[in-house]
Amino acid sequence: EAEVAQSPRYKITEKSQAVAFWCDPISGHATLYWYRQILGQGPELLVQFQDESVVDDSQLPKDRFSAERLKGVDSTLKIQPAELGDSAMYLCASSLSSGDGYTFGSGTRLTVV
Amino acid sequence: DQQVKQNSPSLSVQEGRISILNCDYTNSMFDYFLWYKKYPAEGPTFLISISSIKDKNEDGRFTVFLNKSAKHLSLHIVPSQPGDSAVYFCAASETGGYNKLIFGAGTRLAVHP
Repeated sequence: EAEVAQSPRYKITEKSQAVAFWCDPISGHATLYWYRQILGQGPELLVQFQDESVVDDSQLPKDRFSAERLKGVDSTLKIQPAELGDSAMYLCASSLSSGDGYTFGSGTRLTVV
Repeated sequence: DQQVKQNSPSLSVQEGRISILNCDYTNSMFDYFLWYKKYPAEGPTFLISISSIKDKNEDGRFTVFLNKSAKHLSLHIVPSQPGDSAVYFCAASETGGYNKLIFGAGTRLAVHP
């Protein structure tokens, strides 16, 4: 069964450091999503790509977060500088098109100390 | 402004009995609803969905009911099994909204033998 790959699974970083997460969607999936899940809350969309274009980044804290999907395949989410409040699970998901169901990856658990 | 609300953070059920998880929404533009199941340290996995043109959808032990007038949906699991113990997220989207999913905060289900 095809999967969405994410790395690393776990990341511990110090406050004010830079951190990056990587996602490889299911082959052929044009739509890619980055969600953040804070403990005790539901996932919240940070950014959505259609191929290499951003279609929604309204909830992305752009002063410190950036995301790219240069060739419309894999994607990187970066935080610089990291803050204590960024500790969360970062989930990547993909779908064939914006009207299809999502498949989520296993996520990256970020702890900022 | 929470558009999707799961007011019960936890639910405990005996094995073999029915589990009922509830979800309320406020946005009348939502027309597609989904339930996801999440185990610790894993990404959410799709469980069952329902379109707003239906009021019930069934898949094996899982049934989702939608009451549009009350803006309420529920997930019934019958019979409940210990392996069903997980966090269940309700999610909603609207056609034309780039398939952005809005999630509730989740309900932790514990099924006891």
